[in-house]
Amino acid sequence: KAGVTQTPRYLIKTRGQQVTLSCSPISGHRSVSWYQQTPGQGLQFLFEYFSETQRNKGNFPGRFSGRQFSNSRSEMNVSTLELGDSALYLCASSQDRSNYGYTFGSGTRLTVV
Amino acid sequence: TQLLEQSPQFLSIQEGENLTVYCNSSSVFSSLQWYRQEPGEGPVLLVTVVTGGEVKKLKRLTFQFGDARKDSSLHITAAQPGDTGLYLCAGSRGNQFYFGTGTSLTVIP
Repeated sequence: KAGVTQTPRYLIKTRGQQVTLSCSPISGHRSVSWYQQTPGQGLQFLFEYFSETQRNKGNFPGRFSGRQFSNSRSEMNVSTLELGDSALYLCASSQDRSNYGYTFGSGTRLTVV
Repeated sequence: TQLLEQSPQFLSIQEGENLTVYCNSSSVFSSLQWYRQEPGEGPVLLVTVVTGGEVKKLKRLTFQFGDARKDSSLHITAAQPGDTGLYLCAGSRGNQFYFGTGTSLTVIP
């Protein structure tokens, strides 16, 4: 079956702009989580969605938001981009709780200039 | 402060050597996973352990969950260049999921 699909793979934006990233989970997976990965901070949890509801949220400013659609596809949005938002953004899906592990997408590499 | 600390942070070894990566915490986890990540890609799940003291083997990789479910180790026998990557442990605790700090492994041919 198809894996987790993230689009786009690469993105270059200017400070102050906004960006929307997309994630299509594995068919049948209802939980989608988003992570930010940087060399200095490692993997940092952004938020988790389950059945269109945000179930958990990490410690990120309100500029970071997300949503999940009825088909479980998810988007995350970052407004007023800052240089420090440059990172690999990873989406991960699981059937329900992540107790048994995630399946990750290949990520979106965002560069803010 | 990270809930899960991995050591070492970096490891560079020759092909054929053995190595162990550690994942430690002062907190108890209901399950623990290990992932391997290659540059420019997302992490790939290697194993999940759920029972204290559990040992799982995946070819040359041996994973152990501590008796108290606070720590884990990953042992690789006869490392190969294809084992090169970032190894991440991750634990489930309550309704939260935490990733470790990561161990970057380089296996030199």
